[in-house]
Amino acid sequence: KAGVTQTPRYLIKTRGQQVTLSCSPISGHRSVSWYQQTPGQGLQFLFEYFSETQRNKGNFPGRFSGRQFSNSRSEMNVSTLELGDSALYLCASSVMRQGWSGNTIYFGEGSWLTVV
Amino acid sequence: AQSVAQPEDQVNVAEGNPLTVKCTYSVSGNPYLFWYVQYPNRGLQFLLKYITGDNLVKGSYGFEAEFNKSQTSFHLKKPSALVSDSALYFCAVRDRIYNNNDMRFGAGTRLTVKP
Repeated sequence: KAGVTQTPRYLIKTRGQQVTLSCSPISGHRSVSWYQQTPGQGLQFLFEYFSETQRNKGNFPGRFSGRQFSNSRSEMNVSTLELGDSALYLCASSVMRQGWSGNTIYFGEGSWLTVV
Repeated sequence: AQSVAQPEDQVNVAEGNPLTVKCTYSVSGNPYLFWYVQYPNRGLQFLLKYITGDNLVKGSYGFEAEFNKSQTSFHLKKPSALVSDSALYFCAVRDRIYNNNDMRFGAGTRLTVKP
């Protein structure tokens, strides 16, 4: 079974631009979460999608947004990029069972974003 | 609120010796606890998790972890370290009262195993 696939793996953007990152979850997984990893802040939760609906959102500005498609694939978008947005963006997927939160989330390899 | 602390930034052990990577947690309710490992320029790989039942959890690559509710700890252990175990290790917690995948991760502990 293929793992979580993220594209692109590496990208460089200029301040003020926007970026879209893509994630294909493990087959059968309907929950997709996004995390930002930086040396200073560590791993921080961005948001989670399930059945095309955002279920939960972390403490990030509105420049960070996401969506999920009917095939469970997800994208996240960052608008008006700032230098501090340089990070590894990780997508994770899981099975989501109603009323149970013990699911394991499985991560992709990440998308390295550098803002210059 | 839920949070995790990994008190050691760095752990150094000799190959063949036992290793321990420490983790303490704080949740309002009861926890689900996880360990992940990250190799350079890679994503996080799942090692093991505690859901319920036996306090000693066995996972991938010979790792195990012990859940201690009174000490609110979930330390990762391996009886005999390998050089290939050198990586960044993350502990994570999710409070059972939340039916979502918002997990709180520790800052990570860099494990170095020397030959």
